[in-house]
Amino acid sequence: DAGITQSPRHKVTETGTPVTLRCHQTENHRYMYWYRQDPGHGLRLIHYSYGVKDTDKGEVSDGYSVSRSKTEDFLLTLESATSSQTSVYFCAITGREFNEQYFGPGTRLTVT
Amino acid sequence: DAKTTQPPSMDCAEGRAANLPCNHSTISGNEYVYWYRQIHSQGPQYIIHGLKNNETNEMASLIITEDRKSSTLILPHATLRDTAVYYCIVRPQAPGANSKLTFGKGITLSVRP
Repeated sequence: DAGITQSPRHKVTETGTPVTLRCHQTENHRYMYWYRQDPGHGLRLIHYSYGVKDTDKGEVSDGYSVSRSKTEDFLLTLESATSSQTSVYFCAITGREFNEQYFGPGTRLTVT
Repeated sequence: DAKTTQPPSMDCAEGRAANLPCNHSTISGNEYVYWYRQIHSQGPQYIIHGLKNNETNEMASLIITEDRKSSTLILPHATLRDTAVYYCIVRPQAPGANSKLTFGKGITLSVRP
């Protein structure tokens, strides 16, 4: 599992509130990714990071921001949560040798 | 713009080999074939990848046709724990957004006792 943890694992929040999800890795991987997974849409990339303070947008980045102030942590923030952001969020890192990605256990977010 | 096509589902008996096909007729020369699986409620799990040669690891074997337009993932002795959705993905090996994972619908493998 490449030492990836996500927190919280489950969260219920109200529309309009800010939410931050945390991805933590213990193996000093450079690349980290945030995906969301929804029925009928598969896995979609939100943001990714290629180093400390280096991030870029994915295909569904609207309404999300990220930060990476240290190698081991990649934070995903919903500034003002909406019901359309109800989803399962997965963090991933890229393996060193073959660009395979390893995923965390996921965070199930419900926005009411 | 699906780059791979897989049948929606298949099943096999426990202990038998499971052969999961994938078509990727538009694969580019620098793209590899990766296989992942997702067991219900868990994060996707990397299985294996290859460019043009057949590959084997502790989880599975990957057979890629000579023209690279299709491949087959082989689970040699399927167990009930192999029941999952299996995704075939083609992408460059270099990391970054250009190599992001685009999961299609995958193939649901059901292993029966």
